[in-house]
Amino acid sequence: GQQVMQIPQYQHVQEGEDFTTYCNSSTTLSNIQWYKQRPGGHPVFLIQLVKSGEVKKQKRLTFQFGEAKKNSSLHITATQTTDVGTYFCAGPRYGNKLVFGAGTILRVKS
Amino acid sequence: DGGITQSPKYLFRKEGQNVTLSCEQNLNHDAMYWYRQDPGQGLRLIYYSQIVNDFQKGDIAEGYSVSREKKESFPLTVTSAQKNPTAFYLCASRETGDDNSPLHFGNGTRLTVT
Repeated sequence: GQQVMQIPQYQHVQEGEDFTTYCNSSTTLSNIQWYKQRPGGHPVFLIQLVKSGEVKKQKRLTFQFGEAKKNSSLHITATQTTDVGTYFCAGPRYGNKLVFGAGTILRVKS
Repeated sequence: DGGITQSPKYLFRKEGQNVTLSCEQNLNHDAMYWYRQDPGQGLRLIYYSQIVNDFQKGDIAEGYSVSREKKESFPLTVTSAQKNPTAFYLCASRETGDDNSPLHFGNGTRLTVT
Protein backbone atom coordinates (compact mmCIF):
# COMPACT_ATOMS: atom_id res chain seq x y z
CA GLY A 1 0.00 0.00 0.00
CA GLN A 2 0.92 3.63 -0.21
CA GLN A 3 3.70 4.66 2.15
CA VAL A 4 5.03 8.03 3.20
CA MET A 5 8.65 7.98 4.34
CA GLN A 6 10.11 10.83 6.31
CA ILE A 7 13.75 11.59 7.11
CA PRO A 8 15.61 12.21 9.29
CA GLN A 9 13.94 10.57 12.25
CA TYR A 10 15.64 12.91 14.66
CA GLN A 11 17.69 16.12 14.47
CA HIS A 12 19.37 18.13 17.18
CA VAL A 13 20.50 21.62 16.11
CA GLN A 14 22.06 24.65 17.73
CA GLU A 15 19.72 27.61 17.99
CA GLY A 16 20.15 29.73 14.89
CA GLU A 17 21.03 26.80 12.62
CA ASP A 18 18.77 25.72 9.78
CA PHE A 19 16.72 22.52 9.75
CA THR A 20 15.16 20.48 6.95
CA THR A 21 12.90 17.44 6.97
CA TYR A 22 12.08 15.45 3.85
CA CYS A 23 9.03 13.45 2.92
CA ASN A 24 8.82 10.86 0.12
CA SER A 25 5.79 9.00 -1.13
CA SER A 26 5.73 5.74 -3.05
CA THR A 27 2.89 7.12 -5.19
CA THR A 28 1.92 10.48 -6.64
CA LEU A 29 -0.03 12.60 -4.19
CA SER A 30 -2.90 14.95 -4.97
CA ASN A 31 -1.72 17.10 -2.09
CA ILE A 32 0.49 16.96 0.97
CA GLN A 33 -0.13 18.36 4.42
CA TRP A 34 2.33 19.25 7.18
CA TYR A 35 1.63 19.13 10.91
CA LYS A 36 3.61 20.09 14.01
CA GLN A 37 3.30 18.36 17.37
CA ARG A 38 4.86 20.06 20.37
CA PRO A 39 6.20 17.78 23.13
CA GLY A 40 3.26 16.46 25.12
CA GLY A 41 0.79 18.02 22.69
CA HIS A 42 -1.27 17.05 19.69
CA PRO A 43 -0.57 17.56 15.97
CA VAL A 44 -1.54 20.96 14.60
CA PHE A 45 -2.04 21.62 10.92
CA LEU A 46 0.59 23.90 9.38
CA ILE A 47 -0.01 23.99 5.64
CA GLN A 48 -1.18 22.14 2.56
CA LEU A 49 0.56 22.00 -0.82
CA VAL A 50 -1.40 21.07 -3.91
CA LYS A 51 0.41 22.13 -7.08
CA SER A 52 3.45 20.53 -8.64
CA GLY A 53 6.57 22.50 -7.71
CA GLU A 54 4.65 24.65 -5.23
CA VAL A 55 6.59 26.65 -2.64
CA LYS A 56 4.92 28.28 0.34
CA LYS A 57 6.40 30.29 3.19
CA GLN A 58 5.27 30.94 6.72
CA LYS A 59 7.76 33.33 8.33
CA ARG A 60 10.92 31.21 8.79
CA LEU A 61 9.28 28.02 7.44
CA THR A 62 9.49 27.13 3.75
CA PHE A 63 7.48 24.24 2.32
CA GLN A 64 8.08 22.69 -1.09
CA PHE A 65 6.18 20.15 -3.15
CA GLY A 66 8.19 18.26 -5.75
CA GLU A 67 7.58 18.49 -9.47
CA ALA A 68 6.45 14.87 -9.59
CA LYS A 69 4.25 15.37 -6.51
CA LYS A 70 5.94 12.47 -4.77
CA ASN A 71 8.18 14.36 -2.37
CA SER A 72 8.07 17.39 -0.15
CA SER A 73 10.29 19.27 2.27
CA LEU A 74 10.01 21.63 5.20
CA HIS A 75 12.90 23.98 5.83
CA ILE A 76 13.23 26.15 8.92
CA THR A 77 15.67 29.05 8.75
CA ALA A 78 17.50 30.10 11.92
CA THR A 79 15.77 27.75 14.33
CA GLN A 80 14.47 28.99 17.66
CA THR A 81 13.61 27.08 20.82
CA THR A 82 9.94 27.53 19.98
CA ASP A 83 10.47 25.33 16.91
CA VAL A 84 11.02 22.17 18.98
CA GLY A 85 8.59 19.36 18.32
CA THR A 86 7.82 16.64 15.82
CA TYR A 87 7.04 17.56 12.24
CA PHE A 88 4.82 15.22 10.24
CA CYS A 89 3.94 15.12 6.59
CA ALA A 90 0.72 13.42 5.51
CA GLY A 91 -0.72 12.44 2.16
CA PRO A 92 -4.21 11.34 1.14
CA ARG A 93 -5.01 7.76 0.31
CA TYR A 94 -8.07 6.23 -1.34
CA GLY A 95 -11.17 6.24 0.79
CA ASN A 96 -10.47 9.72 2.17
CA LYS A 97 -7.83 8.47 4.56
CA LEU A 98 -4.69 10.38 5.43
CA VAL A 99 -1.40 8.49 5.80
CA PHE A 100 1.26 10.05 7.98
CA GLY A 101 5.02 9.86 7.85
CA ALA A 102 6.81 8.72 11.01
CA GLY A 103 7.77 12.29 11.78
CA THR A 104 11.02 14.16 12.39
CA ILE A 105 11.79 15.12 15.96
CA LEU A 106 13.53 18.49 16.20
CA ARG A 107 15.44 19.52 19.29
CA VAL A 108 17.07 22.96 19.55
CA LYS A 109 20.00 23.72 21.86
CA SER A 110 20.10 27.28 23.15
CA ASP B 1 -14.77 27.90 21.51
CA GLY B 2 -15.05 25.23 18.86
CA GLY B 3 -12.88 22.18 19.17
CA ILE B 4 -12.42 18.51 19.88
CA THR B 5 -12.53 17.20 23.41
CA GLN B 6 -10.98 13.92 24.40
CA SER B 7 -11.36 12.51 27.85
CA PRO B 8 -9.78 11.47 30.04
CA LYS B 9 -6.23 12.71 29.41
CA TYR B 10 -4.71 9.71 31.22
CA LEU B 11 -6.32 6.31 31.60
CA PHE B 12 -5.10 3.23 33.42
CA ARG B 13 -6.60 -0.23 33.04
CA LYS B 14 -5.84 -3.77 33.93
CA GLU B 15 -5.22 -6.27 31.19
CA GLY B 16 -8.38 -8.03 30.07
CA GLN B 17 -10.68 -5.05 30.59
CA ASN B 18 -12.40 -3.17 27.82
CA VAL B 19 -12.08 0.60 27.95
CA THR B 20 -13.88 3.36 26.04
CA LEU B 21 -12.20 6.61 25.05
CA SER B 22 -14.42 9.60 24.52
CA CYS B 23 -14.21 12.05 21.61
CA GLU B 24 -16.63 14.95 21.17
CA GLN B 25 -16.47 17.78 18.63
CA ASN B 26 -18.54 20.93 18.26
CA LEU B 27 -17.04 21.96 14.91
CA ASN B 28 -19.98 20.50 12.98
CA HIS B 29 -17.52 18.32 11.07
CA ASP B 30 -18.80 15.33 9.13
CA ALA B 31 -15.68 13.19 9.26
CA MET B 32 -13.99 11.85 12.39
CA TYR B 33 -10.91 9.71 12.87
CA TRP B 34 -9.06 7.74 15.51
CA TYR B 35 -5.27 7.45 15.37
CA ARG B 36 -2.85 5.62 17.54
CA GLN B 37 0.62 7.08 18.16
CA ASP B 38 3.61 5.02 19.27
CA PRO B 39 7.16 6.35 19.54
CA GLY B 40 8.91 6.39 16.17
CA GLN B 41 5.87 5.17 14.24
CA GLY B 42 3.95 8.31 13.48
CA LEU B 43 0.18 8.15 13.50
CA ARG B 44 -1.63 5.01 12.44
CA LEU B 45 -5.30 5.04 11.53
CA ILE B 46 -7.59 2.82 13.59
CA TYR B 47 -11.10 3.72 12.40
CA TYR B 48 -12.77 6.58 10.61
CA SER B 49 -16.26 7.80 9.95
CA GLN B 50 -17.34 10.07 7.14
CA ILE B 51 -20.95 10.40 8.20
CA VAL B 52 -23.26 9.52 11.06
CA ASN B 53 -24.09 5.82 11.42
CA ASP B 54 -21.25 4.83 9.11
CA PHE B 55 -17.62 3.98 9.79
CA GLN B 56 -14.74 2.08 8.19
CA LYS B 57 -11.71 0.20 9.43
CA GLY B 58 -8.34 1.85 9.15
CA ASP B 59 -4.96 0.14 9.03
CA ILE B 60 -4.92 -1.28 12.56
CA ALA B 61 -8.60 -1.88 13.50
CA GLU B 62 -8.13 -5.29 15.11
CA GLY B 63 -9.00 -5.18 18.81
CA TYR B 64 -10.88 -1.89 18.52
CA SER B 65 -14.51 -0.91 17.95
CA VAL B 66 -16.29 2.39 17.35
CA SER B 67 -19.75 3.85 16.98
CA ARG B 68 -21.06 7.03 15.34
CA GLU B 69 -24.60 7.49 16.56
CA LYS B 70 -24.30 11.28 16.71
CA LYS B 71 -22.42 13.68 14.47
CA GLU B 72 -20.50 15.18 17.35
CA SER B 73 -19.42 11.95 19.05
CA PHE B 74 -17.08 9.13 17.99
CA PRO B 75 -16.13 6.93 20.96
CA LEU B 76 -13.41 4.29 20.64
CA THR B 77 -13.48 1.05 22.62
CA VAL B 78 -10.21 -0.72 23.19
CA THR B 79 -11.11 -4.35 23.77
CA SER B 80 -9.22 -7.07 25.57
CA ALA B 81 -8.43 -8.52 22.14
CA GLN B 82 -6.01 -5.66 21.41
CA LYS B 83 -2.60 -7.15 22.10
CA ASN B 84 -0.64 -3.96 22.78
CA PRO B 85 -3.15 -1.34 23.89
CA THR B 86 -0.76 0.95 25.74
CA ALA B 87 -0.39 4.02 23.51
CA PHE B 88 -1.35 7.63 22.90
CA TYR B 89 -4.74 7.84 21.19
CA LEU B 90 -5.68 10.86 19.09
CA CYS B 91 -9.12 11.71 17.81
CA ALA B 92 -9.43 14.06 14.84
CA SER B 93 -12.11 15.55 12.68
CA ARG B 94 -12.39 17.42 9.43
CA GLU B 95 -15.11 19.32 7.70
CA THR B 96 -15.79 16.64 5.13
CA GLY B 97 -14.05 13.46 4.12
CA ASP B 98 -12.53 15.52 1.32
CA ASP B 99 -8.81 14.96 0.67
CA ASN B 100 -8.07 18.67 0.87
CA SER B 101 -9.41 19.60 4.25
CA PRO B 102 -7.03 19.60 7.23
CA LEU B 103 -7.44 17.47 10.31
CA HIS B 104 -8.20 19.03 13.68
CA PHE B 105 -6.92 16.96 16.57
CA GLY B 106 -8.01 16.60 20.17
CA ASN B 107 -5.49 16.69 23.00
CA GLY B 108 -5.28 12.92 23.11
CA THR B 109 -5.73 10.19 25.71
CA ARG B 110 -2.72 8.32 27.04
CA LEU B 111 -3.81 4.78 27.83
CA THR B 112 -1.70 2.50 30.00
CA VAL B 113 -2.68 -1.14 30.39
CA THR B 114 -0.86 -3.29 32.94
